[in-house]
Amino acid sequence: DTAVSQTPKYLVTQMGNDKSIKCEQNLGHDTMYWYKQDSKKFLKIMFSYNNKELIINETVPNRFSPKSPDKAHLNLHINSLELGDSAVYFCASSQTYTSGNTIYFGEGSWLTVV
Amino acid sequence: GENVEQHPSTLSVQEGDSAVIKCTYSDSASNYFPWYKQELGKRPQLIIDIRSNVGEKKDQRIAVTLNKTAKHFSLHITETQPEDSAVYFCAAVPSGTYKYIFGTGTRLKVLA
Repeated sequence: DTAVSQTPKYLVTQMGNDKSIKCEQNLGHDTMYWYKQDSKKFLKIMFSYNNKELIINETVPNRFSPKSPDKAHLNLHINSLELGDSAVYFCASSQTYTSGNTIYFGEGSWLTVV
Repeated sequence: GENVEQHPSTLSVQEGDSAVIKCTYSDSASNYFPWYKQELGKRPQLIIDIRSNVGEKKDQRIAVTLNKTAKHFSLHITETQPEDSAVYFCAAVPSGTYKYIFGTGTRLKVLA
């Protein structure tokens, strides 16, 4: 019973390609997130949605576009991939967006751009 | 903007010894401080958290202390075991916001 699941787990692609990562949570949570973890293990928030509405949009290139068709899904589409996009992308969710709510992470998607 | 500093970046201890990881936050309005453990190749998972109205919290071999005046909080692991080896992240969440500000992580190695 995976609470937050994301696909694919591994993705190797060439520069310039467009790719998507899908995420689904079955916890009934209202809020979902995308985090990026680089090679130094830094965890940085990229986006957050609450009930399908964008509530956090950090300084992320326009090539990254999140989409939330419903509150259980938050997908990440990346256009014109660059070498620097190589990282682990974690989807996550929490009951609501207010402080004190535990964030549950997915297994991560290892993106390698060659 | 908000910032969370975490030290040390790496920590090696002998099995059975204690480990302490410290974090300092910049936003005095932060009121929630979770700690996450990330094993190699796995997802970060919450291990313990503390709210600003509490000074200390324990859960078996793990404890977290909070000093609001100094704006720092620490993770204490006693009687360390090899399975405690992982990267540990602290985070601070400013009151009224929904943005976890993560520290830079501490790679803990417990030597058998």
